Amino acid sequence: DAKTTQPPSMDCAEGRAANLPCNHSTISGNEYVYWYRQIHSQGPQYIIHGLKNNETNEMASLIITEDRKSSTLILPHATLRDTAVYYCIVRVAGSNYKLTFGKGTLLTVNP
Amino acid sequence: DAGVIQSPRHEVTEMGQEVTLRCKPISGHDYLFWYRQTMMRGLELLIYFNNNVPIDDSGMPEDRFSAKMPNASFSTLKIQPSEPRDSAVYFCASRSRDSNSYEQYFGPGTRLTVT
Repeated sequence: DAKTTQPPSMDCAEGRAANLPCNHSTISGNEYVYWYRQIHSQGPQYIIHGLKNNETNEMASLIITEDRKSSTLILPHATLRDTAVYYCIVRVAGSNYKLTFGKGTLLTVNP
Repeated sequence: DAGVIQSPRHEVTEMGQEVTLRCKPISGHDYLFWYRQTMMRGLELLIYFNNNVPIDDSGMPEDRFSAKMPNASFSTLKIQPSEPRDSAVYFCASRSRDSNSYEQYFGPGTRLTVT
């Protein structure tokens, strides 16, 4: 699976959009981009995933660049409860169900 | 659904003792994963099962660790004998074959402290 690079930490004001970047310059054509988050003392939680097109669900939006070498997770209206470590994971769809978690980005939402 | 259930939530034991961690996956899920999280190594996959059969145990650190899944609703991770370096949070996760997103649902974890 391709390697990902994320900033170690970011801050965001409550109510504003949080934009979390992820670089995956070695991504292959059949690799998906997944985002999980881990709130302190809890297990990781799935947020969203995508292949080529931008995706949106009730939690967030995922913007993938046209060359697929980077992506951005957008939390449109961050709340204090969104403070967590956010993991960007790239993996191939198929029979390998492994998720390889990196260090992620610690997002701190400030009041 | 109650989600993935893990027990105990906290375990403190002395070095050399046997430790057994338990997991009940979400009903209907046929994949089960065991992860370990430490400050040094982050979140790492230890082993995963499909239909109760171990598929990949390459992440199991050594022979002191063993995992079983006797049926679709129960799995154990055993450490015997335990060592202080095994102190970590152990997560169990499950997913459904039918899920198009390969989303894994994680339990709340078991915090293990070996003194």
